[in-house]
Amino acid sequence: AQSVTQPDIHITVSEGASLELRCNYSYGATPYLFWYVQSPGQGLQLLLKYFSGDTLVQGIKGFEAEFKRSQSSFNLRKPSVHWSDAAEYFCAAIINAGGTSYGKLTFGQGTILTVHP
Amino acid sequence: EAGVTQSPTHLIKPRGQQATLRCSPISGHTSVYWYQQALGLGLQFLLWYDEGEERNRGNFPPRFSGRQFPNYSSELNVNALELEDSALYLCASSWRGRDEQYFGPGTRLTVT
Repeated sequence: AQSVTQPDIHITVSEGASLELRCNYSYGATPYLFWYVQSPGQGLQLLLKYFSGDTLVQGIKGFEAEFKRSQSSFNLRKPSVHWSDAAEYFCAAIINAGGTSYGKLTFGQGTILTVHP
Repeated sequence: EAGVTQSPTHLIKPRGQQATLRCSPISGHTSVYWYQQALGLGLQFLLWYDEGEERNRGNFPPRFSGRQFPNYSSELNVNALELEDSALYLCASSWRGRDEQYFGPGTRLTVT
């Protein structure tokens, strides 16, 4: 079955420290991949996306992600975290072909990021 | 450019009643998606509409239904409400079914 896994439920970092959030996917073919961020009680904001091509993608708010086909991973990184980055982060995937999964975003369980001053 | 809008922000309904949630996509987007975010269950795909047709459906009972209007806005109807339907319902839109999806702020449904 197609799935997206975020191994870390909760991560705590100090402000100014670097950040890496992990994401692994399990699909028959390489899906389109996304990272979203959600502040408490709010909707999801798209941070970045990977469709094909360059495996290092840049997003908004200083985030980047690296696609590694050999590891079926799409990890999110930021060199220096700000207190305003505290939120929940979701990795998501969508199959880019027909079938029963067409149009359906599959989300990971989410990683809650806490930032200490 | 206006984003995806949803109404109402909050909705409180008694068990057994019907709830109607509304969504307006980003201008130019033809696809609308509905997701449920329930406590402990994560984000789950509900429905996808494109050009007025239902294109895909998640693993939810038939009492979850919806439609898409000619202006591409959409309604999600939940009939015979159950306590476990309490959740944040998120609407998203995209230009076509294969592109990135942009989300609205959600409607918080509470079933009492």
